[in-house]
Amino acid sequence: GAVVSQHPSWVICKSGTSVKIECRSLDFQATTMFWYRQFPKQSLMLMATSNEGSKATYEQGVEKDKFLINHASLTLSTLTVTSAHPEDSSFYICSARTSGRALVGELFFGEGSRLTVL
Amino acid sequence: RKEVEQDPGPFNVPEGATVAFNCTYSNSASQSFFWYRQDCRKEPKLLMSVYSSGNEDGRFTAQLNRASQYISLLIRDSKLSDSATYLCVVNEKYGNKLVFGAGTILRVKS
Repeated sequence: GAVVSQHPSWVICKSGTSVKIECRSLDFQATTMFWYRQFPKQSLMLMATSNEGSKATYEQGVEKDKFLINHASLTLSTLTVTSAHPEDSSFYICSARTSGRALVGELFFGEGSRLTVL
Repeated sequence: RKEVEQDPGPFNVPEGATVAFNCTYSNSASQSFFWYRQDCRKEPKLLMSVYSSGNEDGRFTAQLNRASQYISLLIRDSKLSDSATYLCVVNEKYGNKLVFGAGTILRVKS
């Protein structure tokens, strides 16, 4: 099946620094990628939807200036958490689907990135 | 009211048991429905889609009741490897947005 790779898997940073997370589709072209955040014992919350070559669409309550999303190619999307604070510590997961997928549920998830901000 | 609600569990069952999870959704216009499985500290993986007519995949059976707006997942002959969190997922409209439930924890014990 399709593979989505996410990097890094773990990151620990100091408060105030910026962290970039990469999401790559390895064997297909991902016209749309999604970024989710999951706090412990809670559901995945969609943060934003990014389409290749256009601006990301952010969900209500997600600060677009804090969570910068770039989807510059069909195989790569990045999420940058700017000026990270301890409350940003979470599990960030990307997912992707191809334009040819009729079944919208066939999302392919990255392995997730666990961010800890000290 | 949450858009997708699940009993968080945990459901503690012995090997070989049959266990069922339910999930309710609030948006009557929801188009498609899925069960995902998520292991601890891992990404979710699609377990099965849920069709109006109900569908079965081995030991797993999923059903949809649109009138009552709930989805169910039945696991027969539980295995230790079935221990995970099961996420109910609803696509609110034809397009991109999937809404995830918080998940139901299943622990199968020998």
